[in-house]
Amino acid sequence: QLQLQESGPGLVKPSETLSLTCTVSGGSISSSSYYWGWIRQPPGKGLEWIGSIYYSGSTYYNPSLKSRVTISVDTSKNQFSLKLSSVTAADTAVYYCARRSPPDAFDIWGQGTMVTVSS
Amino acid sequence: QSVLTQPPSVSAAPGQKVTISCSGSSSNIGNNYVSWYQQLPGTAPKLLIYDNNKRPSGIPDRFSGSKSGTSATLGITGLQTGDEADYYCGTWDSSLSAQVFGGGTKLTVL
Repeated sequence: QLQLQESGPGLVKPSETLSLTCTVSGGSISSSSYYWGWIRQPPGKGLEWIGSIYYSGSTYYNPSLKSRVTISVDTSKNQFSLKLSSVTAADTAVYYCARRSPPDAFDIWGQGTMVTVSS
Repeated sequence: QSVLTQPPSVSAAPGQKVTISCSGSSSNIGNNYVSWYQQLPGTAPKLLIYDNNKRPSGIPDRFSGSKSGTSATLGITGLQTGDEADYYCGTWDSSLSAQVFGGGTKLTVL
């Protein structure tokens, strides 16, 4: 069955760029109808949607993070990636990748990866 | 502050029923589908309900969802200790052009 796995550094310095990749296995990222998204959860807090991408490269981002976020897709590797620039301690969180099934449900999630912003 | 409002916590005894509310507005719940997620301690969220009231394959019918106007409700019957988790509602907000979630509700099965 379809699985998602996040990967990337667990520690990022303030003002630097956070970079994560989500690898999709057991299915194709190029499946029509599905968007692929990033969601984060600060320690002890709730979920925050970061943004989503279609296999064609079409993206949409959370307006509150849009100036710092870039999401891209590599269909040849069945991966999509997140870059968050100018990070601060407030960006410390567990970052999840997930598949968005239409119209509006995240039906498959990765296990999450903890990213700490600290010098 | 979350766009969608949920009670911080609810509790009930094993075997009983509990409901969790999610309140929004016409720009989100009022005109879009609602989904519900269960997050067991230390794990990723899991989809429980989509399209307001549909259950993915493998989700027991003890879990149900409903929507009325700008509010949605998750119901859980026959509570089990294994249901202790955080529950989140989610939907699209047309004004914000963003996916939004409630602040989460911690369910305690006493």
